[in-house]
Amino acid sequence: DQQVKQNSPSLSVQEGRISILNCDYTNSMFDYFLWYKKYPAEGPTFLISISSIKDKNEDGRFTVFLNKSAKHLSLHIVPSQPGDSAVYFCAASAGSIPGGKLIFGQGTELSVKP
Amino acid sequence: GAGVSQSPRYKVAKRGQDVALRCDPISGHVSLFWYQQALGQGPEFLTYFQNEAQLDKSGLPSDRFFAERPEGSVSTLKIQRTQQEDSAVYLCASSLVGGMGEKLFFGSGTQLSVL
Repeated sequence: DQQVKQNSPSLSVQEGRISILNCDYTNSMFDYFLWYKKYPAEGPTFLISISSIKDKNEDGRFTVFLNKSAKHLSLHIVPSQPGDSAVYFCAASAGSIPGGKLIFGQGTELSVKP
Repeated sequence: GAGVSQSPRYKVAKRGQDVALRCDPISGHVSLFWYQQALGQGPEFLTYFQNEAQLDKSGLPSDRFFAERPEGSVSTLKIQRTQQEDSAVYLCASSLVGGMGEKLFFGSGTQLSVL
C-alpha cells in the first residue's frame, strides 16, 4: 500500500523554465510534508517542507504547494538550473507516528537541459 | 562529526553470508533511522531508535534483520543469511530530537549486493 505516490518517474525541462514535480498521498493523518533531493551515490538531502496548516511555503527558487482536500502537493522550481538535475523525493509524516518517521514516494528524476 | 557517516560504502556478499552495516550519526542526535532503498524506488523505513531504545522495528522485512544502538550513538544493522532480494542501498539518517516534521540528515548509504 503506497501511501505517498509520485506518478512521474522522470521529467525533462529546459534551463530557465519552471519545473513542477507532483506528489499524492492517501493517509489523511499526514500533517507534515518534506521534499528531498538526491544526487547519484549520495544520500537524500532536505530541500523544503510544509506543514498541513499552510498551503504554500517558499524558499528562494523553490515553492511547495499543498492541497489538502485533493491530498496533493507539488514542488515548483523556477527558474530551473542544470544543477537541479537530481532525483526528488516527496515524504510525509504524521504526529501520530513516533519519532517523526518519514514515508517516501518513489521519486521523480528531474533533468534540466542547458 | 560533520554529517552522518556510513560504512562500508559498498558490500558484496555471497548468498547465505552475514553482513553488518555501520552508521555514525551526527553527534548529539537522539533519533536514528534505517531505510532500505531498492533500485528505482524511494527509501523504505526499516527501524527507528531514540537513544539506545529501538522504538519501532515494524519495517524490518524478516527476522534475519537486526539493528542495535547499544550506547545511543553508533548503530549497526545486521543481516543474517543474506538473500538476493536483500540487495539494495541501506540508508541511515539521524535527527536532533525526532519531532514531527523534523528533517532527517542522511548518510550516503551502503550499497549491498548479494550474489
